[in-house]
Amino acid sequence: DQQVKQNSPSLSVQEGRISILNCDYTNSMFDYFLWYKKYPAEGPTFLISISSIKDKNEDGRFTVFLNKSAKHLSLHIVPSQPGDSAVYFCAARGWSGSARQLTFGSGTQLTVLP
Amino acid sequence: NAGVTQTPKFQVLKTGQSMTLQCAQDMNHNSMYWYRQDPGMGLRLIYYSASEGTTDKGEVPNGYNVSRLNKREFSLRLESAAPSQTSVYFCASTDPFRGPNVLTFGAGSRLTVL
Repeated sequence: DQQVKQNSPSLSVQEGRISILNCDYTNSMFDYFLWYKKYPAEGPTFLISISSIKDKNEDGRFTVFLNKSAKHLSLHIVPSQPGDSAVYFCAARGWSGSARQLTFGSGTQLTVLP
Repeated sequence: NAGVTQTPKFQVLKTGQSMTLQCAQDMNHNSMYWYRQDPGMGLRLIYYSASEGTTDKGEVPNGYNVSRLNKREFSLRLESAAPSQTSVYFCASTDPFRGPNVLTFGAGSRLTVL
C-alpha cells in the first residue's frame, strides 16, 4: 500500500512554460513534505519543503502547494528550463516506530524541451 | 567537499554471494540511512542509524544487515545475495540544522545479482 503516490511517471514541457508535478498521499499524520530532484547517475538532491501547517512555500522558480483536505501537493516550476529535466520525487515525513521517517513517491521524469 | 561517498559504484554478484556496501560522510551528521531504488517503487528505507551506536530497521530490512562503525561510516551487508536484491542503493545522512529530514544522498551503488 503506497502511502505517497506520484501518478504521472513522466511529463514533458516546453522551455519557458510552467511545469506542474503532482503528488497524493493517504496518511493524514504526515507533518512535512519534501521534493527531491535526481539526475542520472547521481543521488537525489533536496529541492524544497513545506510544513503541514502551511499551504504554500516558494523558493525562486519553485513553489510547492499543499492541499491538506485533498491530501495533495504539487510542485510548480516557472519558468521551466532544460536543466530542470530530471526525476522528481515527493516525500512525506511521518512516524515509523520510534523515529520520523520519509516515505517517497515513485518519481516523475520531467523533460523540458528547448 | 565530498559529502556522502559510497563504494563500490557498480557490483555484479552471483546468487548466494555476500558483499558489503560502504558509506562515509564528512559532514558530521548524526543520522545515516540506506535506501534502495527500484523502478516504479521510489526510494524505500532499508535500515537507518539515528546516531552512532544505534541502528533500526526500515521498511524493507530482510536480507540485509548494517553496521554503524563510527559517526562517519555506515555499511550495508548482504550475507547471501538474491536476484530480488538487484537494485540501486543510496546512502544518505541528515543535518538537523538544515531542516527536518533534509537528506544528503550519495551517488548510489548499482548492484546486479545474477
